[in-house]
Amino acid sequence: QVQLVESGGGVVQTGTSPRLSCAASGFTFSAYSMHWVRQAPGKGLEWLALISFDGSKKIYADSVKDRFTISRDNSKNTLYLEMNNVRPEETAIYFCARDSVVATGGFDYWGQGTLVTVSS
Amino acid sequence: DIEMTQFPSTLSASVGDRVTITCRASQTISSWLAWYQQKPGKAPVLLIYDAASLQSGVPSRFSGSRSGTQFTLSISSLQPDDFATYYCQQYSDYPWTFGQGTKVEIK
Repeated sequence: QVQLVESGGGVVQTGTSPRLSCAASGFTFSAYSMHWVRQAPGKGLEWLALISFDGSKKIYADSVKDRFTISRDNSKNTLYLEMNNVRPEETAIYFCARDSVVATGGFDYWGQGTLVTVSS
Repeated sequence: DIEMTQFPSTLSASVGDRVTITCRASQTISSWLAWYQQKPGKAPVLLIYDAASLQSGVPSRFSGSRSGTQFTLSISSLQPDDFATYYCQQYSDYPWTFGQGTKVEIK
């Protein structure tokens, strides 16, 4: 069965550069585009970034462009999000999600999320 | 960016009720829209894609429709498991954007 497991969250200081990981299993990871989505406590969902199946295409939301970097290692079935210069308002649960297999877009599988708390 | 306006923000309903949630896009997105259900402490779950296609494994009481730039998620007969927050999401253009969410509460 498809599984996505995020890690790397915790309490971090403002201005630091945590890296999140998402370990994938149960499907051919190298065949799918992948995404990061975040959700601040009690708030809605915000799409952050996409990486194509082979890593050749990356697209970011303006809110994180030039500070966050999405990457993947298909040999390790792992997706990454490197966050630079984080801010307290970026305290959120960070989800990785798989591009839908049947639709042109959307996310058909999500991880359970990892909470990043940015402390000032 | 394409803005998705979702309403109502909260909806109180009883088991067995028919429920309708609406999402309006700020510009045309064709049928490139998904609906998700999210329960507290859990990840969202895909319910509907391409505006009206039911994701595999999702009960048939859920349905989606489109009229121009207005989209609707309907639940034909609300079940206890359906009390949750629902989000629409467009994937017509980057950045992909979500509606603000609709919380379906027990009346």
